[in-house]
Amino acid sequence: DAKTTQPNSMESNEEEPVHLPCNHSTISGTDYIHWYRQLPSQGPEYVIHGLTSNVNNRMASLAIAEDRKSSTLILHRATLRDAAVYYCILYSGNTPLVFGKGTRLSVIA
Amino acid sequence: EAGVTQSPTHLIKTRGQQATLRCSPISGHTSVYWYQQALGLGLQFLLWYDEGEERNRGNFPPRFSGRQFPNYSSELNVNALELEDSALYLCASSLRLSGANVLTFGAGSRLTVL
Repeated sequence: DAKTTQPNSMESNEEEPVHLPCNHSTISGTDYIHWYRQLPSQGPEYVIHGLTSNVNNRMASLAIAEDRKSSTLILHRATLRDAAVYYCILYSGNTPLVFGKGTRLSVIA
Repeated sequence: EAGVTQSPTHLIKTRGQQATLRCSPISGHTSVYWYQQALGLGLQFLLWYDEGEERNRGNFPPRFSGRQFPNYSSELNVNALELEDSALYLCASSLRLSGANVLTFGAGSRLTVL
């Protein structure tokens, strides 16, 4: 399985933008880049996904490098409710969604 | 639209007993996934069912088993419970087999083995 590399933890001030990086140098042509997050004591929650082009939705933006070997999840204005573990996952649909250790985001008021 | 529902919310069993956990996917979703999350640990993939068949299995012993019913709901059975089986068991469902699939997770069933 193609793997991703994320920082173990990051910290952000409330109401400031957060850029969560993810490296995936072994990505294949059929892999989509997915981001999920898990808030404390809850199941994972879908955030955003993309294949080649940058994507925006109401929760976040996903910036994908031109060579697709890295991507960045952008939270435009972090709130305390965004404190969670964020998972960057490569997913083709042919194998299960495999969660790594993710990045634990702390948001400071 | 109802989300993924799991039951029971909490379950307490003793060593050696059997536990059955249930999952109802979002209407129209044919794939169901099961994950285990032990306290303080990551999400470990357990089982994946699609259209009634087991598609993939994680690195768990055979006493972890399950099935998917014709209405696409699923159950996870854990036999001969051990203390380390205490965990949050999460179910997720998705629409079809594509990398563009989005998984929707339930709130989980917390199993405690005494």
